[in-house]
Amino acid sequence: DAGVIQSPRHEVTEMGQEVTLRCKPISGHDYLFWYRQTMMRGLELLIYFNNNVPIDDSGMPEDRFSAKMPNASFSTLKIQPSEPRDSAVYFCASSLQGANEQYFGPGTRLTVT
Amino acid sequence: SQQGEEDPQALSIQEGENATMNCSYKTSINNLQWYRQNSGRGLVHLILIRSNEREKHSGRLRVTLDTSKKSSSLLITASRAADTASYFCATDGSGRLAFGKGNQVVVIP
Repeated sequence: DAGVIQSPRHEVTEMGQEVTLRCKPISGHDYLFWYRQTMMRGLELLIYFNNNVPIDDSGMPEDRFSAKMPNASFSTLKIQPSEPRDSAVYFCASSLQGANEQYFGPGTRLTVT
Repeated sequence: SQQGEEDPQALSIQEGENATMNCSYKTSINNLQWYRQNSGRGLVHLILIRSNEREKHSGRLRVTLDTSKKSSSLLITASRAADTASYFCATDGSGRLAFGKGNQVVVIP
């Protein structure tokens, strides 16, 4: 298996623009997680899905952030409109057993200017 | 919510030496996990220890868990230059992981 795939790897955009991050989990994994990593706040869970259904979105910072999982092999995290404080590395992870043994993708480094 | 907190924050050692990192947390947990992150990469799961376990080994890794003190330690024996990375503990108490800020370990060849 190729592991968790994320795209794009790097994204530079201007404030106010819409940003869409994409994730393909490992085939057969029922859980998918979106995290954000910054120097100041560390690694934060934004939202996670089980069998394509959002289970806990309490970490989503505000209404500008939304996430979808239309099928078992694809998820998106959208920021609209983007702001400079959204600059971070966004990771997608998947697992077979909920919070246990998560497999992380390579991340998307987002820079909002 | 639980929050793993590693100590010390940064560690620099010579190749062949052992590296020990500690993690403390605040509430009850189902398990505690350790992850490694190389620069510019995603996290890699290293080891999971359940709340009813006290010690676990995996290759050169040894993890201990003391639920009475709400703390865990990760020992890397006979370190190698390739062990240079950041190490995170993460606690699972409610189906979601809470990560610590990470320990940066530099192994000098």
